[in-house]
Amino acid sequence: ELKVEQNPLFLSMQEGKNYTIYCNYSTTSDRLYWYRQDPGKSLESLFVLLSNGAVKQEGRLMASLDTKARLSTLHITAAVHDLSATYFCAVVTGGTSYGKLTFGQGTILTVHP
Amino acid sequence: NAGVMQNPRHLVRRRGQEARLRCSPMKGHSHVYWYRQLPEEGLKFMVYLQKENIIDESGMPKERFSAEFPKEGPSILRIQQVVRGDSAAYFCASSPPSGGTTETQYFGPGTRLLVL
Repeated sequence: ELKVEQNPLFLSMQEGKNYTIYCNYSTTSDRLYWYRQDPGKSLESLFVLLSNGAVKQEGRLMASLDTKARLSTLHITAAVHDLSATYFCAVVTGGTSYGKLTFGQGTILTVHP
Repeated sequence: NAGVMQNPRHLVRRRGQEARLRCSPMKGHSHVYWYRQLPEEGLKFMVYLQKENIIDESGMPKERFSAEFPKEGPSILRIQQVVRGDSAAYFCASSPPSGGTTETQYFGPGTRLLVL
């Protein structure tokens, strides 16, 4: 059974600081997604990482994928309050030809002054 | 292009009643996924449907839960004889016709079910 684990689960950051969220998964998969969820809202797609070594950046967020280590990272640069949200990574379950996603537990990020 | 639509957004039911959750995928999308999010947890896959077909229902509880995606109209997730443990947010996601693993799934706003 595919397991996806994120850490940390809770992250309190000061504005202007950098930090990294980690996402480990237990079986082979080379499709990984990062989503953002604001309280009481739906999930917003941030990144789709499709191959080993993939790196994508959008604003203050940068995501990378290492399929050999079964690890993805979401790096936050110079955090601002607007980034406060819950961040989920999700992996396509291996062995399917469709996008059945297994999610991590989520990382609750709070950015404070 | 309207996004994924779900209704109702909030649903309150008493134990033993039925809950019907509806999902209209994005225009041009023919693949629908349902996920459940229990409080303080991540999303868990429930079922994957294409038009008139259930492809994978491995995440659906064996009893009381059913899903359909008819040729016309929205996808429906039906929960019979609801219990308090069914209280959760239910999200629908859709993806384009190729439906493969590389396609991003777009999520609806969710239906928050509360069972009293």
